[in-house]
Amino acid sequence: QQQVKQSPQSLIVQKGGISIINCAYENTAFDYFPWYQQFPGKGPALLIAIRPDVSEKKEGRFTISFNKSAKQFSLHIMDSQPGDSATYFCAASFTGFQKLVFGTGTRLLVSP
Amino acid sequence: DTAVSQTPKYLVTQMGNDKSIKCEQNLGHDTMYWYKQDSKKFLKIMFSYNNKELIINETVPNRFSPKSPDKAHLNLHINSLELGDSAVYFCASSQNRDRARADTQYFGPGTRLTVL
Repeated sequence: QQQVKQSPQSLIVQKGGISIINCAYENTAFDYFPWYQQFPGKGPALLIAIRPDVSEKKEGRFTISFNKSAKQFSLHIMDSQPGDSATYFCAASFTGFQKLVFGTGTRLLVSP
Repeated sequence: DTAVSQTPKYLVTQMGNDKSIKCEQNLGHDTMYWYKQDSKKFLKIMFSYNNKELIINETVPNRFSPKSPDKAHLNLHINSLELGDSAVYFCASSQNRDRARADTQYFGPGTRLTVL
């Protein structure tokens, strides 16, 4: 059972464009929603995270939008750069359990 | 300074062998994890230890046994390796001083295990 569904599987965006990756979750007990970025041959690294008490969080060019009623959250990368080319994972966890449930990943390619 | 380190980075072995992967974190974190990333890049938690105590044990074959000699180390021992064990294994750690809030998990560089 896939508790966190992520789309699209892959994404090609022109340099300077907006990259949008969407995730949907099923379990309403989830209360922490991080996004991880993974470059080839490296471990995932936290990019940005949100908790359900806010609907949006912005850090530089990266924004998470969170819709609690729809059980959806998305990552927006503004002014996408070739250096942003990586695999992005959304995730969710429960308070007190520290168990991250990951989405299936989105491979982003930003063309120069 | 490397925050979460794993050895070896690559491991190639024959079916039926026993192998270990070591993980160390120098962040002073209380909780450590093992994740498995399969060929389709799907990441799934296997185990979690908090202060040397096992707190998460997902449905993982008994051939996999984590060992935490102290809170800075979490090793993964795999017996009787099978072809399906081929994957990238990531160690991670997090602070988790406040059980009421989830904390950032910091991942190691991964160990690519290939079973022939």
